[in-house]
Amino acid sequence: AQSVTQLDSHVSVSEGTPVLLRCNYSSSYSPSLFWYVQHPNKGLQLLLKYTSAATLVKGINGFEAEFKKSETSFHLTKPSAHMSDAAEYFCGARPGNQFYFGTGTSLTVIP
Amino acid sequence: DAGVIQSPRHEVTEMGQEVTLRCKPISGHNSLFWYRQTMMRGLELLIYFNNNVPIDDSGMPEDRFSAKMPNASFSTLKIQPSEPRDSAVYFCASSLLRDRGETQYFGPGTRLLVL
Repeated sequence: AQSVTQLDSHVSVSEGTPVLLRCNYSSSYSPSLFWYVQHPNKGLQLLLKYTSAATLVKGINGFEAEFKKSETSFHLTKPSAHMSDAAEYFCGARPGNQFYFGTGTSLTVIP
Repeated sequence: DAGVIQSPRHEVTEMGQEVTLRCKPISGHNSLFWYRQTMMRGLELLIYFNNNVPIDDSGMPEDRFSAKMPNASFSTLKIQPSEPRDSAVYFCASSLLRDRGETQYFGPGTRLLVL
């Protein structure tokens, strides 16, 4: 079965400290991978995507993610959290014609 | 561009009533997706269209749900009859399918409450 697993449902960090949101995928071959952010009462907005080019992908708002095929991971990171980063984050995968999203990670930023 | 447009933004209805959700994709996009988001199940893909043709509807929960895309600029998701467990936020997304890395652009969602 192909799927996306977000390992943490909730993450809390202090403002100015690093952010790590974990995502693992299960696929018979390397899919396209995405991270989306959802602010309260809003739709999903693309942060970044991996499409078999550079394994380190830089996105908007200072986020980046690294594709590690050996670990089947695509973790999202940011060196320094900002209050405005508090939101729900979704990891997604597109193997072939299918689309899968993780169950989401809620990020809280403590002032 | 106005982005993906969904209507209504909020819908409250009684069990047994028909509900129709509407979506206008971004002009020029050729793929359209309907998702459902709940606390219990997260974000689920219900169905997606490519060039107005349904490609995969395996996520549609049951026969009470149906989706149509009569033309490239309009799609509907209908629930008949509606049930309280259908309460969720329904998102529409569109993309331009050129390669495997196309980006989906999401609408603001329709928040449905079935009493």
